[in-house]
Amino acid sequence: SAVISQKPSRDICQRGTSLTIQCQVDSQVTMMFWYRQQPGQSLTLIATANQGSEATYESGFVIDKFPISRPNLTFSTLTVSNMSPEDSSIYLCSVVGGPSHNEQFFGPGTRLTVL
Amino acid sequence: AQTVTQSQPEMSVQEAETVTLSCTYDTSENNYYLFWYKQPPSRQMILVIRQEAYKQQNATENRFSVNFQKAAKSFSLKISDSQLGDTAMYFCAFMKRSGGGADGLTFGKGTHLIIQP
Repeated sequence: SAVISQKPSRDICQRGTSLTIQCQVDSQVTMMFWYRQQPGQSLTLIATANQGSEATYESGFVIDKFPISRPNLTFSTLTVSNMSPEDSSIYLCSVVGGPSHNEQFFGPGTRLTVL
Repeated sequence: AQTVTQSQPEMSVQEAETVTLSCTYDTSENNYYLFWYKQPPSRQMILVIRQEAYKQQNATENRFSVNFQKAAKSFSLKISDSQLGDTAMYFCAFMKRSGGGADGLTFGKGTHLIIQP
């Protein structure tokens, strides 16, 4: 499976500020996704990061709040904008791989705390 | 839209015992995949096992196996000879099979499995 890294691994931010999270993969991948895991909760899909075009957002998530970039097949960023304490979560990126390209592998996550 | 339900918030068993985690799902799709992921305290999501809906044979990976009942929309995970390192959150997940590539995953709420020494 691909090796996925995320930066930063954790951060503490003030409300009203923005944070950009990076996801780097050691090989080219077609599909990349961003998820949010709120404290004590399961994972929720935020968006599909499309290379060369705008991200596809799930219901309840909007581009103004979570802008995503995907400049190439190995890298993506997620920005959490105008943060509030409710944005405190773990943010994870995932890529599709496996023999049949239908398995998702996750990065280590970014733990964000908003004060 | 699809939903995934895990009805056991927490389970605890003794080391070496066998434990079964339940998962049910609801979908109108006919082609899809089901997964079990493990999330230890390190928070890294680890793929445990995968099942393709069009395959009747249940998937097996070493001590992990599934009981896939497509008509009942049930997908349980059996862990045999449980080990202390199996202690983690376990998430059941659904993915629609898409002609244009993979779709995002829909997760259940998770089951916290504790293996007691």
